Amino acid sequence: QVQLAESGGGVVQPGRSLRLSCASSGFTFSQYALHWVRQAPGKGLDWVAGISYDGSIKYYADSVRGRFTISRDNSKKSLSLQMNSLRPDDTAKYYCARDESGYRSSRWDYWGQGTLLTVSA
Amino acid sequence: QSALTQPASVSGSPGQSITISCTGTSGDVGGYSDVSWYQQHPGKAPKLIIYDVDSRPSGVSNRFSGSKSGNTASLTISGLRSDDEADYYCNSYRTSDTLVFGGGTKVTVL
Repeated sequence: QVQLAESGGGVVQPGRSLRLSCASSGFTFSQYALHWVRQAPGKGLDWVAGISYDGSIKYYADSVRGRFTISRDNSKKSLSLQMNSLRPDDTAKYYCARDESGYRSSRWDYWGQGTLLTVSA
Repeated sequence: QSALTQPASVSGSPGQSITISCTGTSGDVGGYSDVSWYQQHPGKAPKLIIYDVDSRPSGVSNRFSGSKSGNTASLTISGLRSDDEADYYCNSYRTSDTLVFGGGTKVTVL
């Protein structure tokens, strides 16, 4: 069955960097776009970034553009999010989600369980 | 990037129908058919329940239905059940290749 599993969260100081990963199994990874979505404690969902099936097109929310970089390795069936210049308001659980299209849509049919990032001094 | 506007909470009795609105602009909800809805129970990952405004994924109950009029999309839950109690989020494509969620609506079954 389709599975997505995020890792790499933790506690980091403001201004530092961290890299999140999302491992996949159970489907043809290279055929689907993917997204990162975050949820601050007690708050709503917040789209962060998306990437097309082949990695050629990347999309970012204004709040992270220039600080975060989304990437994928289709040979390893993995998705990554490199986060630089972290701020306290980046504190959230980060989910990876599979997009049913190959490029970009709001139709995300599978989600991981999330990994928690805390940005604090 | 401002979020789409949803009511903070909606409630109803078992068996009733409720409707959750999601208001955006012509640059997102009103301009595209790429609108989805997600259900999230506490401590769980979101679950897709409506896509392309009014389509249901396989396995999702037909008690859930979606629609759109102008810049406002709506999710209707009919025959309300206790396990429908959850948070609901709309999501839409927005001009300039971004996506945006609504602020979320907490559904309470009385």
